[in-house]
Amino acid sequence: KQEVTQIPAALSVPEGENLVLNCSFTDSAIYNLQWFRQDPGKGLTSLLLIQSSQREQTSGRLNASLDKSSGRSTLYIAASQPGDSATYLCAVRLLGAAGNKLTFGGGTRVLVKP
Amino acid sequence: KAGVTQTPRYLIKTRGQQVTLSCSPISGHRSVSWYQQTPGQGLQFLFEYFSETQRNKGNFPGRFSGRQFSNSRSEMNVSTLELGDSALYLCASSLALLAHQYQETQYFGPGTRLLVL
Repeated sequence: KQEVTQIPAALSVPEGENLVLNCSFTDSAIYNLQWFRQDPGKGLTSLLLIQSSQREQTSGRLNASLDKSSGRSTLYIAASQPGDSATYLCAVRLLGAAGNKLTFGGGTRVLVKP
Repeated sequence: KAGVTQTPRYLIKTRGQQVTLSCSPISGHRSVSWYQQTPGQGLQFLFEYFSETQRNKGNFPGRFSGRQFSNSRSEMNVSTLELGDSALYLCASSLALLAHQYQETQYFGPGTRLLVL
């Protein structure tokens, strides 16, 4: 059974500092891994999708890496801003799993202090 | 293009009642998935529909059911509501041009917050 873990559960940094968020998964046979952002009481916004054949994806200040062999992904957010405060979730899609089932980590709640 | 829409956004029910939630995917998307989010269990997969067929189901009791219409809109139903069903119910859609294509991004709606009293 695939398990996805995100540590730490919460993180507080001063504005301008780089953010490093970790995601680990137990089953390396994945199709892809997706990072999401969730603001309080809202739905999920997709940030980056990394296919299993890729090592990293970049979008603006965001960079996500994937190491399937070690079962890890890292999301880097450069020069954090107060608007980056949110909960960040990673989710994996298992290879061979029928359909579009995503298994989510518990999330990391981020607070960027001005 | 309009995003994924869910109705209603908020709902209050009492134990034993039933509820139906609706999800309209992004135009052209054929796959619709449902998730339950609670503080204790996090985000858990309920089921996925593709071309009006349920093709994947999570570990939820039979009180949770769903369906998809020919225009890809989807509904989920929860019968005999329990206090523990209080949660944010999220719907996600993806393009799914091919039946076994799983590489695309899933786009989530804002969710329906259900409170069971």
